Amino acid sequence: GAVVSQHPSRVICKSGTSVKIECRSLDFQATTMFWYRQFPKKSLMLMATSNEGSKATYEQGVEKDKFLINHASLTLSTLTVTSAHPEDSSFYICSAPPGTASTDTQYFGPGTRLTVL
Amino acid sequence: GNSVTQMEGPVTLSEEAFLTINCTYTATGYPSLFWYVQYPGEGLQLLLKATKADDKGSNKGFEATYRKETTSFHLEKGSVQVSDSAVYFCALRKGGGSNYKLTFGKGTLLTVNP
Repeated sequence: GAVVSQHPSRVICKSGTSVKIECRSLDFQATTMFWYRQFPKKSLMLMATSNEGSKATYEQGVEKDKFLINHASLTLSTLTVTSAHPEDSSFYICSAPPGTASTDTQYFGPGTRLTVL
Repeated sequence: GNSVTQMEGPVTLSEEAFLTINCTYTATGYPSLFWYVQYPGEGLQLLLKATKADDKGSNKGFEATYRKETTSFHLEKGSVQVSDSAVYFCALRKGGGSNYKLTFGKGTLLTVNP
């Protein structure tokens, strides 16, 4: 099946630094990608919808200046956590629906564990 | 707003035991309902789905029936295997067309022992 990769799988950074997480669709093109955040024992919360060639759409309560999203190509979306703080520590997951598949199909990345010290 | 509530884990079973993971939802109208599974170290994968009331989704021996009267979509399997050990997420999608947005439950960790 289609594969979505994320890099890095795990990152530890100091408070105040910025961290970039990549999401790649390996064998299909994705005009749309989704970014989720998961706290321990909590649901996956949709943060934003990344749109190739245009601005991302953020969910209510998500700071767009804090979580910068760039969808530069049909196979790559990046999430940059700017000026990270310990409360940003979480598990970040991306997903992508292939453009030609049914609307119920989404492929998820394995996730990125961010720890901010 | 939309929400999904699924039973708290973890769930620990012996091989060949019967599995039920409860899931209820809150949404207006007629959402599509899904179960996703996440095996260790991997991304979420679609396990099964149902798009209208009384539909039964099934895959790999798992089943779930869309019950609108009880707003439920409980996951069942008659005989679990060690390889079924994973985290299971119930989810709904409200809206049609190109609206892919999913609302997830918290996930239930299943461990199956030999």
